[in-house]
Amino acid sequence: RKEVEQDPGPFNVPEGATVAFNCTYSNSASQSFFWYRQDCRKEPKLLMSVYSSGNEDGRFTAQLNRASQYISLLIRDSKLSDSATYLCAVSVYQGGSEKLVFGKGTKLTVNP
Amino acid sequence: GAGVSQSPRYKVTKRGQDVALRCDPISGHVSLYWYRQALGQGPEFLTYFNYEAQQDKSGLPNDRFSAERPEGSISTLTIQRTEQRDSAMYRCASSFTSGLSTDTQYFGPGTRLTVL
Repeated sequence: RKEVEQDPGPFNVPEGATVAFNCTYSNSASQSFFWYRQDCRKEPKLLMSVYSSGNEDGRFTAQLNRASQYISLLIRDSKLSDSATYLCAVSVYQGGSEKLVFGKGTKLTVNP
Repeated sequence: GAGVSQSPRYKVTKRGQDVALRCDPISGHVSLYWYRQALGQGPEFLTYFNYEAQQDKSGLPNDRFSAERPEGSISTLTIQRTEQRDSAMYRCASSFTSGLSTDTQYFGPGTRLTVL
């Protein structure tokens, strides 16, 4: 099983739709979880950290399910500008240091 | 303010040549990370520095790859005797502290390496 797995999509949704992405991770000891956004030919940028209690930032909601080892990202009322690839990242403690392991990313296209 | 910068942005080299990729982190950032990102994939961890100390190099694919950060600021990733399979986007990221759970990693624009 890969350390971090995401549905690669692509997801094509109309403006205003609600869309959800899931990401599963294999290391039960992972402590930190993140969602990054990457626009075409650009660098990844942090969208949200994911906390145990779940967290919301405007139209974006991130949740963590430790028992099932997955994190999710929900986007409500999607906008054209939400079109991007969404990467989940999970911390892994290995070889004496903590590092981020990224999923392959899920591509989202929001259509007018 | 200035973000993470990397140079060159594009590098085309012939197989067997050595290349040096530079990363200039955000001023004052303690931690510096190198990643490699293939098309359609997420960034893959290569190595990590805390100030000038290389804390983890477990992601470097083989001994042709090395990195340094001698003064705790600018870092160089060197690939010796390049091979075609080394072609990828090489990204650098920095963070203010070394705590992954509390700190954001800011990525640079990357260096697109093509080995002919």
